[in-house]
Parts: sequence; C-alpha cells; structure tokens
Amino acid sequence: GDSVTQTEGQVTVSESKSLIINCTYSTTSIAYPNLFWYVRYPGEGLQLLLKVITAGQKGSSRGFEATYNKETTSFHLQKASVQESDSAVYYCALGEGSNYQLIWGSGTKLIIKP
Amino acid sequence: EAGVTQSPRYAVLQEGQAVSFWCDPISGHDTLYWYQQPRDQGPQLLVYFRDEAVIDNSQLPSDRFSAVRPKGTNSTLKIQSAKQGDTATYLCASSFPGYEQYFGPGTRLTVL
Repeated sequence: GDSVTQTEGQVTVSESKSLIINCTYSTTSIAYPNLFWYVRYPGEGLQLLLKVITAGQKGSSRGFEATYNKETTSFHLQKASVQESDSAVYYCALGEGSNYQLIWGSGTKLIIKP
Repeated sequence: EAGVTQSPRYAVLQEGQAVSFWCDPISGHDTLYWYQQPRDQGPQLLVYFRDEAVIDNSQLPSDRFSAVRPKGTNSTLKIQSAKQGDTATYLCASSFPGYEQYFGPGTRLTVL
C-alpha cells in the first residue's frame, strides 16, 4: 500500500537555528504523486503550508522549503532560522492528482526553545 | 470568506451512547471530507462527498458510523454506539475537486 513516514514525533530547536523535519513516502498505486506539508498551529485547524506536484521541484512558503526527491522518495521540510511562531505540528501528505485523497504521516511536533 | 465550521468542539460520552458531528463547508466547495485523527497519528479518511453523493466510504465502519450530505452543503457524521476506540478528533474539510483542502477546527471526542 501507500504510506508516508515521519520518523520524529517531536523536534526541539533553539530559536534562530535551522530545522529539518524528515518525510519519506512509499507508493505502489500512484504514478505521479503530489506531496504536501500541512501545519496545525495551536488552537487552529490544519492548513496547507506548501505543495509540490513535480519531481525535482522545490516548494516554499513562510520561509519553509521542501524538495520533491523521487530518487530517495523524500520530501523533507527545512527552514534556515526558526522563530517561536513556528511552534506547531507539521504533517507530510501524499496525494494523487485530481483524486486528491491524501495519505498522511503521523505528524511532527516542533518545539522552539527561546 | 468564512472557513469550515464544525460543532460541537468537544464531546464526552459513555460507551454505547450516540453522537453526531456537524460540518458547514466553505461556500461553493463541492467536495467534503470527514477524517478521524487518533492522538499522535495523522488524519485517516473516513468518507468523502462530491455534492450530495458519497464518492468513497470504504473506510467508514458502516455498522456504527454514518454520514450524510443531503443538499450538497452541510454534512453530519453520526456514531450510533460509541466505543472507547472511537476516541479521536474528527476533522471536516472541504475543497474544489483536486484542489487544496480547507480544514475545520475539529471535534475532540472522548469515549469513557
């Protein structure tokens, strides 16, 4: 089946330091997967952070970046300098074009140390 | 533009009780999704609609769960006889087909 793996349930980073949240995926049924990062800030609903639909391309939003790497089947989320306002839970997800049924990772909680 | 709204925000039940969750999607969105999100897991799709039609309910435990969207706008998800294993957050999302899903704040259900 198809799956998305986020190995870290929680990541703690000092303010102004760099961040990487790992995401790998596996699919046997989707020929051209679309990849997404969603975020849930405290007290808010899930919202799309960024998406990439073409292998080799990079998506970016709010200082975050993720590159769709088909060779390593990865879509890691990175940020050069985190802020306290980035504290949230981040979810990686996989979808198929117009079908748009998403397969989700288990989420990574980001804690920022002052 | 109003977002996706859900009610109630919280529910606490004893096993065997029934509960209904209500979702009002973003106006104009024809696709509506219901997800179950257990603690420390990602959302898991239960059912989704396009207008009033069910497109996929293969993950909906049909013996106790039901979902309707009679006029292609608001939707209700009902659990007939709740079990402790149903403890989770229930998320509603809406979208145009193939486009970004917009999520409501969720209903946190605890079954004692």
